[in-house]
Amino acid sequence: GAGVSQSPRYKVAKRGQDVALRCDPISGHVSLFWYQQALGQGPEFLTYFQNEAQLDKSGLPSDRFFAERPEGSVSTLKIQRTQQEDSAVYLCASSLLGLGLADTQYFGPGTRLTVL
Amino acid sequence: EDKVVQSPLSLVVHEGDTVTLNCSYEVTNFRSLLWYKQEKKAPTFLFMLTSSGIEKKSGRLSSILDKKELFSILNITATQTGDSAVYLCAVGGYGGATNKLIFGTGTLLAVQP
Repeated sequence: GAGVSQSPRYKVAKRGQDVALRCDPISGHVSLFWYQQALGQGPEFLTYFQNEAQLDKSGLPSDRFFAERPEGSVSTLKIQRTQQEDSAVYLCASSLLGLGLADTQYFGPGTRLTVL
Repeated sequence: EDKVVQSPLSLVVHEGDTVTLNCSYEVTNFRSLLWYKQEKKAPTFLFMLTSSGIEKKSGRLSSILDKKELFSILNITATQTGDSAVYLCAVGGYGGATNKLIFGTGTLLAVQP
C-alpha cells in the first residue's frame, strides 16, 4: 500500500483480556518498529524487527507484551492480560533500510487501546 | 542515558508569525535527528538531519542541526492555522542491535487566526 496501515484503529478491552494489534508496513521495507505513546508524551520504543528477526525488544514493558513478524512483512503486537496502564496509542513504523543505516521511519495512524 | 529535550512545551502565536522550536539531545554515537508533525493521527515526517550546519527547507519550514552543541531548531515562517500540531523531535544512534528513535515530549503549537 501507499503507507503504513494499522488495525484496529480503536480497541476497548476489559482488564485481563488479551488483545492483538496488527501492522502492515510499506511494501519492501526491511525495518519495522513498534512504539507506545501515552497522552501528552512522545512515542516510546517497544521493539524492532529487521525482516523477520526481532533484533531489539528492550522496550517491551513486561512479559505480557509479545511481538512477531513471521514472514518479514505484517507484524502483530500482542498484549496478554491487559492492565489499565496499558492504555495508550500503539504506533507502528517502517523504514526501507536495515540496521545501522540512517533512514526515515514512516508511521501508521496508530491503534488507540483503552483498558477498562 | 540517551535523551531528547524539546522547548518550549507549548506555544501560542497568531497567523503570520514566525516560530522557532528547539531540540537538544544526548545520545551515544549520534546517527540522525528527525522532525515530525503530529496532528490527531500518525506523526508525519518533515526532515532528517545528519550533517551539521546544512539547512533543510520545505516551503515555509526549515531546520538545521548543530552537532557540536547537540541541538537542532525547526523554523516555521508565516504561520497558518494548519500548522497547529505537536512537533516531535527524535534522535537515532549507532550501536547495538537496533535502529530505534528516541523522542522528545514534543512542542504543542497553536496558531490563532
